[in-house]
Amino acid sequence: RKEVEQDPGPFNVPEGATVAFNCTYSNSASQSFFWYRQDCRKEPKLLMSVYSSGNEDGRFTAQLNRASQYISLLIRDSKLSDSATYLCVVNRKDTGNQFYFGTGTSLTVIP
Amino acid sequence: EAQVTQNPRYLITVTGKKLTVTCSQNMNHEYMSWYRQDPGLGLRQIYYSMNVEVTDKGDVPEGYKVSRKEKRNFPLILESPSPNQTSLYFCASSLWGSDTQYFGPGTRLTVL
Repeated sequence: RKEVEQDPGPFNVPEGATVAFNCTYSNSASQSFFWYRQDCRKEPKLLMSVYSSGNEDGRFTAQLNRASQYISLLIRDSKLSDSATYLCVVNRKDTGNQFYFGTGTSLTVIP
Repeated sequence: EAQVTQNPRYLITVTGKKLTVTCSQNMNHEYMSWYRQDPGLGLRQIYYSMNVEVTDKGDVPEGYKVSRKEKRNFPLILESPSPNQTSLYFCASSLWGSDTQYFGPGTRLTVL
């Protein structure tokens, strides 16, 4: 079973729409959670860390549900510049200090 | 400017010809890591290092070697590359306790 699973999409949404991405992780020992953004085979860049209480950064809201082993990202008022692949990332320290990436969810925001 | 650099950015080579991809960071980060990215598989961790002279296997270490002799450098060595190592490789670093990784620009490797 994969450590991290994401719906690959693609998601095609109009400008201004709200879109939500989901991610599940398989190991309850996972400690840290992140969303990264990757543009067209460039390097991934941190979008936001995900905290147990949920957190918001402008139009982006991340939620973590440890009981269900589920992470989400909500993007409100989508912009053309939000078009990218969004990667769900989990860190485990029980086996060292390893990071596990989902395969990514592709988003295209349409004018 | 704080950054992670990788060289070369693009490399085409032949099976069995040893190669090294360099990675360097100027942020004094303790943690460094190598990933490969393949379509449909996402990024997979090859090796990581939590500090100088400390390296550990990630999920897909077979066919790769690393070393961490200095804090800033973490080269990836392919002793005998094979076509199944054709991939996009990323190096990353982070400050101990932060877990936020900063990635290099990537190295696209083709093994014929």
